Amino acid sequence: DTEVTQTPKHLVMGMTNKKSLKCEQHMGHRAMYWYKQKAKKPPELMFVYSYEKLSINESVPSRFSPECPNSSLLNLHLHALQPEDSALYLCASSQEGQGPDFGSGTRLTVV
Amino acid sequence: AQSVTQLDSQVPVFEEAPVELRCNYSSSVSVYLFWYVQYPNQGLQLLLKYLSGSTLVESINGFEAEFNKSQTSFHLRKPSVHISDTAEYFCAVSSGRVGAAGNKLTFGGGTRVLVKP
Repeated sequence: DTEVTQTPKHLVMGMTNKKSLKCEQHMGHRAMYWYKQKAKKPPELMFVYSYEKLSINESVPSRFSPECPNSSLLNLHLHALQPEDSALYLCASSQEGQGPDFGSGTRLTVV
Repeated sequence: AQSVTQLDSQVPVFEEAPVELRCNYSSSVSVYLFWYVQYPNQGLQLLLKYLSGSTLVESINGFEAEFNKSQTSFHLRKPSVHISDTAEYFCAVSSGRVGAAGNKLTFGGGTRVLVKP
């Protein structure tokens, strides 16, 4: 089992809803990531937080809003999503220089 | 800029046969290389990594990969596969220390391994 915990595991939301994805790790990792993965495709990087500061934003639409309240938590706030945003959203964390550890993901369906 | 190419999108293989998954990368600077495995309906698991030192790296479940700087490759091999090795395998590269500000992991397109009895 992974040490990166993501909730919820599944989420169905309407295009006018606001929801949040949550991610937690207690490994002391100081880098945390959000990835989006469509079926049969590799993960695509969305955001990177390094020492609780946003260090990379891969030109993600503003309907996705990340938040890092502390070194163990990472949120992804969702608002006014489109059906094409349906995907598996993966959180990951790492020590600097090491490969990220991934959570099991949240499977998001936008209806 | 960095990029990763996995040359085979699918690799069917019989149980107990060897398998090789090919990965080539491009980067203008020194790289760190990784292989991840993704089982159906799960997240990614780190299989092995090359950061520095010995160019041959091994995982605990029998996989190994060799970093070849002259050929810019990091191919993954297993001498004898099991049914349970059926999964998607992703090669990834970072041109800097992953997690440091501004450094990110770039994934290849993935190789689906199907182990047949």
